[in-house]
Amino acid sequence: DIVMTQSPSSLAVSAGETVTINCKSSQSLLYSGNQKNYLAWYQQKPGQSPKLLIYWASTRQSGVPDRFIGSGSGTDFTLTISSVQAEDLAIYYCQQYYDTPYTFGAGTKLELK
Amino acid sequence: EVKLVESGGGLLKPGGSLKLSCVASGFTFSNYWMHWVRQAPGKGLEWIGEIEYDGTETNYAPSIKDRFTISRDNAKNTLYLQMSSVRSEDTATYFCTTHRTWGQGVMVTVSS
Repeated sequence: DIVMTQSPSSLAVSAGETVTINCKSSQSLLYSGNQKNYLAWYQQKPGQSPKLLIYWASTRQSGVPDRFIGSGSGTDFTLTISSVQAEDLAIYYCQQYYDTPYTFGAGTKLELK
Repeated sequence: EVKLVESGGGLLKPGGSLKLSCVASGFTFSNYWMHWVRQAPGKGLEWIGEIEYDGTETNYAPSIKDRFTISRDNAKNTLYLQMSSVRSEDTATYFCTTHRTWGQGVMVTVSS
């Protein structure tokens, strides 16, 4: 199975700050046939279902604010949230969909400082 | 409106069986691979399986393989998760999802 390692596990921020969440996979998620990275990012707020933010490592889902930016390739990926807002406080998960089982990272909890 | 609605959750004893349903609306259900993801109380997300458009291919996580079965009825726009030989560690909220769209989840509790 592909192991997804997220860091940090939690992050305390003030509104307006820029934050970076890291996700590392145990093997490359870059498929040579289409040069796409099979990596997604989700946001989950308390009591809610997860919400897809980013797919193909850097493509923002429709309706997601452009302060959410996904980057990286191969085995190292980053979710950057610029100018964090109170509504962004949530747990963020990365997930690989390169190979089954489609494993998730353990999550990063974004809290208010 | 694109929507997924799960049902069928509840309390069951170890070794028991339960069948979850997920009804899709607002999109062409038969055009999508469908997935089940679960979340134990206070824990992270765990992908447990998927089913191809017409149900001919399924893939499962090792943790539930040979105990759970995913199926679908495209005529009814419905996805199913048949759970058998359940264990306490299967206690979780179960979500159906296309990845883009998620249901609200349904709680399954396994306890003697």
